[in-house]
Amino acid sequence: DVKVTQSSRYLVKRTGEKVFLECVQDMDHENMFWYRQDPGLGLRLIYFSYDVKMKEKGDIPEGYSVSREKKERFSLILESASTNQTSMYLCASSLVTSGRPNEQFFGPGTRLTVL
Amino acid sequence: AQKITQTQPGMFVQEKEAVTLDCTYDTSDQSYGLFWYKQPSSGEMIFLIYQGSYDEQNATEGRYSLNFQKARKSANLVISASQLGDSAMYFCAMREGSGSRLTFGEGTQLTVNP
Repeated sequence: DVKVTQSSRYLVKRTGEKVFLECVQDMDHENMFWYRQDPGLGLRLIYFSYDVKMKEKGDIPEGYSVSREKKERFSLILESASTNQTSMYLCASSLVTSGRPNEQFFGPGTRLTVL
Repeated sequence: AQKITQTQPGMFVQEKEAVTLDCTYDTSDQSYGLFWYKQPSSGEMIFLIYQGSYDEQNATEGRYSLNFQKARKSANLVISASQLGDSAMYFCAMREGSGSRLTFGEGTQLTVNP
C-alpha cells in the first residue's frame, strides 16, 4: 500500500513565524503535490514537483515556497505565516505511467491555525 | 471559468437507496481524465473511480459507477445501495492532457440516513 505521511496533524503558529510542513511518500512516486482545502472552495493546488529539485507553481503559490531535495520528501514552507493561511493542508503523490489513471494518493492532512 | 463544477453542496439519501452526485467539467483538451474521491470526517482522501475521455464504457468499481456523458461534459457519480459509511464529502477532479495536475470541484457533502 502507498503511504503518504505528513509531519503533523495539527499545528498552531503565530503570525510572522516561518512554518515547515513535511510530507514523505514511500512508493517512489515521481510527482508530489501540496494543496490547501477550505470550505466551499474544494482543494486548490499550491505547488507541485515532478522530480527532485523541480517544482511548478500551482493556482495559489503566493506566500508559499517548496523544497524537494530527495524523491520521497516534499516540504511546504510558509516564509511568514499570516492568519489567512489558516487552513487544512494536504500532500499527495502519484506515479507517471502511460496508459494508467495515475491517481493521486493523499496524506492525512495538517490542520494549521495561524494566530 | 470554473473547470469542475459540483452544484450540490449537500445531499441526503436513505440507507440502501441509490444516489447520484453531479459533476460537470470544462476543457478544450481531447484527452483528459475524471476522478472521484471520498473524504470521510477523519480527513483522508480516498480514490474511488476513474474515467478516461477515450474510455467507451462507463467506469464501475463495486457500488460506485460513473455516468459519463461526454457531449454534456458531465461525469456523475452513482452510489448504489447507500450505506451509513458512505456519509462523507465527495470531490470530482479532472486531469487535462498528459499532465499530472488535478483540478478539484467544491465538493458535495453526502449524508446517509438510517
